[in-house]
Amino acid sequence: SQKIEQNSEALNIQEGKTATLTCNYTNYSPAYLQWYRQDPGRGPVFLLLIRENEKEKRKERLKVTFDTTLKQSLFHITASQPADSATYLCALDGGTGGFKTIFGAGTRLFVKA
Amino acid sequence: EPEVTQTPSHQVTQMGQEVILRCVPISNHLYFYWYRQILGQKVEFLVSFYNNEISEKSEIFDDQFSVERPDGSNFTLKIRSTKLEDSAMYFCASSDVTSGVYEQYFGPGTRLTVT
Repeated sequence: SQKIEQNSEALNIQEGKTATLTCNYTNYSPAYLQWYRQDPGRGPVFLLLIRENEKEKRKERLKVTFDTTLKQSLFHITASQPADSATYLCALDGGTGGFKTIFGAGTRLFVKA
Repeated sequence: EPEVTQTPSHQVTQMGQEVILRCVPISNHLYFYWYRQILGQKVEFLVSFYNNEISEKSEIFDDQFSVERPDGSNFTLKIRSTKLEDSAMYFCASSDVTSGVYEQYFGPGTRLTVT
């Protein structure tokens, strides 16, 4: 069955450092992959989308890579700030041609000042 | 900035009762979605909706669930006979796929508590 795995443990980093979060998937051939941010008690907020034919995408301090051979996406936040502390969700299209999005469990990021 | 709204923010109901969760998607969006998130767990896809019909649904979305777009602005999720395990946060989302954008805009959620 289709599976998405994200670092289950929380990631603690110092302010100013680069945070790198991993998303691995199996039994999938997604056409695109998305990253969302979720704060406690709130809905997910879209950050970036990368398509299967793209290797890398950037937006301000965010960078996403997508390796369809490794079945992996890396999400980087450079010059991290305490305000970046949140849970980051990886999401893939269900691959069935419709509009079904499958979310990973998320990685909790803590940025210490 | 346009946003997805959801009402109520919190709904408490007794087991076996019917509930209707309401959403107002962003006005020019054409695709609508419902997700649920049980406390401490991941966001789970329930259903997507386009052109007045269901596009995709998950195994969770059984006969107890239904969705409707009763007018030009609202999108509703009905649970016919609630169970204790339906207690969760329910998120509505919408997207404007016609412009090639697949990103989804989520509402603030409705916390459903079944007692």
